[in-house]
Amino acid sequence: DAGVIQSPRHEVTEMGQEVTLRCKPISGHDYLFWYRQTMMRGLELLIYFNNNVPIDDSGMPEDRFSAKMPNASFSTLKIQPSEPRDSAVYFCASRQGSETQYFGPGTRLLVL
Amino acid sequence: KQEVTQIPAALSVPEGENLVLNCSFTDSAIYNLQWFRQDPGKGLTSLLLIQSSQREQTSGRLNASLDKSSGRSTLYIAASQPGDSATYLCAVKDQGGKLIFGQGTELSVKP
Repeated sequence: DAGVIQSPRHEVTEMGQEVTLRCKPISGHDYLFWYRQTMMRGLELLIYFNNNVPIDDSGMPEDRFSAKMPNASFSTLKIQPSEPRDSAVYFCASRQGSETQYFGPGTRLLVL
Repeated sequence: KQEVTQIPAALSVPEGENLVLNCSFTDSAIYNLQWFRQDPGKGLTSLLLIQSSQREQTSGRLNASLDKSSGRSTLYIAASQPGDSATYLCAVKDQGGKLIFGQGTELSVKP
């Protein structure tokens, strides 16, 4: 398996633009997580899904952020409109049941 | 609210030394605890996972211990190598299934 795949790996955009981050979890994993990592706040859980259903979105910072998981092999995290304070590395992770969580390589987002 | 703290924030040691990284958590009602490694510009790689009923786990030169009652875990690295240089994060899985991460310890092993 190729592991968790994220795209794009890097994104530079201007304030106010819509940003869409994509994730393909490991095949067979029933949990998918979106995290954000910054120097100031470390690694924060934004939202997670179980069997494609959002379970806990309490970490989503505000209404500008939304996440979907239309099927077991694809998820998106969207920011609209983006702001400079959204600049961070966004990680997607997946796991099967209660086993080890596997992380993708991350998307580095810079909002100018 | 569960809080995870890692001490020290940064550590520099000469090659060959044994070292210990510390992790503490405020709520002992955890499901498991994981140690991850993160290289600069990369994602996280899981090193060891300790279930709440276990006391320790070993993998090669790494040994992780868990004392749930005191809210502490340690990661012991034997005979450190320059390739061990990375940031090490500990995370506890709460009863709701979420991983709560510490801020990490940045380790530098000098040749």
